[in-house]
Amino acid sequence: AQTVTQSQPEMSVQEAETVTLSCTYDTSESDYYLFWYKQPPSRQMILVIRQEAYKQQNATENRFSVNFQKAAKSFSLKISDSQLGDAAMYFCAYSSYGKLTFGQGTILTVHP
Amino acid sequence: GAVVSQHPSRVICKSGTSVKIECRSLDFQATTMFWYRQFPKKSLMLMATSNEGSKATYEQGVEKDKFLINHASLTLSTLTVTSAHPEDSSFYICSARMASGGFYEQYFGPGTRLTVT
Repeated sequence: AQTVTQSQPEMSVQEAETVTLSCTYDTSESDYYLFWYKQPPSRQMILVIRQEAYKQQNATENRFSVNFQKAAKSFSLKISDSQLGDAAMYFCAYSSYGKLTFGQGTILTVHP
Repeated sequence: GAVVSQHPSRVICKSGTSVKIECRSLDFQATTMFWYRQFPKKSLMLMATSNEGSKATYEQGVEKDKFLINHASLTLSTLTVTSAHPEDSSFYICSARMASGGFYEQYFGPGTRLTVT
């Protein structure tokens, strides 16, 4: 079975600074997708970024970028120029046959 | 973008009663919907996969007789918590899957907070 591990229960960052959230996963599949989701206090799940495993190029969405290391099974999220609105719980997730497996989550606090 | 709604957003029920939660895809058809359960500051745990017109597939450890899932149309799936007990109090989230550019993306509803007294 696939597992997703987020080893940082909580992280904090100063506004305008950069923070990196870590995620590792375990799978025997060769074709899969990886995601980062944001869950703000409203608890609505919001897709931040998606990475296809067959793509070597790291995905980027504005201030959000990933460092995808397929051999190491590592998938970290970098948030640049952090904003107060980035404060939320972030989940790393894995999908190979449509079902999502989530990590434990990382609570991100942004200090003004 | 694709929108998924859930109703109700909050519900309080008495122990022993049943409660139904609806999940609707508002602007697309979803042959597959998923139901998750989330405890405070914890991760989402997949409960079951709901396929339109067929029986739901439950994850290991989820009581199918307690959590009844019906996916009667391409835009509606329901989760009924039968004979609810306080330990069933939780946040329930649904998602609907839609094909997008050769990939199936999941769109999440806003969740339903269930409190059993």
